[in-house]
Amino acid sequence: AQTVTQSQPEMSVQEAETVTLSCTYDTSESDYYLFWYKQPPSRQMILVIRQEAYKQQNATENRFSVNFQKAAKSFSLKISDSQLGDAAMYFCAYRQGNTPLVFGKGTRLSVIA
Amino acid sequence: GAVVSQHPSWVICKSGTSVKIECRSLDFQATTMFWYRQFPKQSLMLMATSNEGSKATYEQGVEKDKFLINHASLTLSTLTVTSAHPEDSSFYICSARDPGRGGETQYFGPGTRLLVL
Repeated sequence: AQTVTQSQPEMSVQEAETVTLSCTYDTSESDYYLFWYKQPPSRQMILVIRQEAYKQQNATENRFSVNFQKAAKSFSLKISDSQLGDAAMYFCAYRQGNTPLVFGKGTRLSVIA
Repeated sequence: GAVVSQHPSWVICKSGTSVKIECRSLDFQATTMFWYRQFPKQSLMLMATSNEGSKATYEQGVEKDKFLINHASLTLSTLTVTSAHPEDSSFYICSARDPGRGGETQYFGPGTRLLVL
């Protein structure tokens, strides 16, 4: 079964600085999707960024970018110019085909003013 | 992104009663919806996959008779917690994929907090 591992239960970053959240996954498939979701205190799950495994180019969404290393099965999220509103739980997720998302345990990010 | 709504957002009920939670896709038709449960400070746990017009597929360890799922239309799935007990208190989240947007991304409802007294 596919598994997603987030090894950092908690992280903190100074406002305006850059932080990287780690994620590794285990799969024998070659075609799949990877996601980062943000869950702020409201608990609404918000899509941050998405990566298709067949694409070599790393996805970027404004201040958010990923470092996708397919051979290493690594999918880290970089947040640049961190803002107070970035404080949240961040979940890495994997999906292959029509199967449901598989989530990691999450990383709680604190942003220090 | 696509919009998924849930109702109610908060519910408090007495032990032994049943509670129904609705999940709607507002701007797309969803043949498949997902129901998750989340305990405080934990990740989302998939409970079941809801398929329009057919029976839901439950994850191992999830009681089918306790958590009844009905997906009667392409925009509505319901989760009924039957004979609720305090241990059923949790945060329930529904999710759906928009086939019109390629179906790659799952969009989530805002969640329902259930407290069973």
